[in-house]
Amino acid sequence: DSGVTQTPKHLITATGQRVTLRCSPRSGDLSVYWYQQSLDQGLQFLIQYYNGEERAKGNILERFSAQQFPDLHSELNLSSLELGDSALYFCASREAGLGSGELFFGEGSRLTVL
Amino acid sequence: DAKTTQPTSMDCAEGRAANLPCNHSTISGNEYVYWYRQIHSQGPQYIIHGLKNNETNEMASLIITEDRKSSTLILPHATLRDTAVYYCIALSGAGSYQLTFGKGTKLSVIP
Repeated sequence: DSGVTQTPKHLITATGQRVTLRCSPRSGDLSVYWYQQSLDQGLQFLIQYYNGEERAKGNILERFSAQQFPDLHSELNLSSLELGDSALYFCASREAGLGSGELFFGEGSRLTVL
Repeated sequence: DAKTTQPTSMDCAEGRAANLPCNHSTISGNEYVYWYRQIHSQGPQYIIHGLKNNETNEMASLIITEDRKSSTLILPHATLRDTAVYYCIALSGAGSYQLTFGKGTKLSVIP
C-alpha cells in the first residue's frame, strides 16, 4: 500500500461525457503528479501540482484540467471524452523538501469510454 | 533528462539473479539513475536510485559503471512476484522530479 488513494477504481462512460478522477496523496506530501497510461502510449506525464499550484505540465490535452485543493487532494477533470481517452490514470505523490525522485503511485483509475 | 535504452524483454529462472541492463550514454553529471517497476497494471513502484556509487537496498542492487554511461539493476533472488516491467530513468537532481517513462524491460521470471 503506497498510501496514495485514487477513486474511482473503474469508470465506464460514453463519448462526449465529462468525468472527475480523485487522488488523495500520502499524508504530508505536497506534490501530486498525474500520469496517463494507454496501451499504445505507455506512461505519459500529464501535470504536477505543488501545494495547490501548478508546477509542471506535460502532454495534457486542453480538454483535461486538474487542480489541487487546500487539503492537498487533487482532481483530474476529463471532458468531451473520446474513445482514445480510455486509459489507466495514475496519481503519484512525493515528499516535499526531500531531494529524491521517489514517487509513490496509487493503484490507478481505469477509464473506459464507449 | 537523458534518454535511456533497455532491452525489450528478458527471462530469468526463479531463484536466480536477474540482471537488467540500462544504457544512458548521454547522462549528465547531475542526473541520477532511477529504477521503477510496474507489476501488471498496478501503479509503478520505486526500487532504487543512484548517482555514482553502487547502491543496495532490501529490494535490489544498482551497479553504475565508472563512466556512468550504463547501469545494471540486480534482483539477487528473483521470484515469480518479480515478473514486471522495469523502467530505468535518468532524472535531474533538481526540478520537479517528473518521471519520463520509456518502454522498459519486461522481465518474466520462469518457475
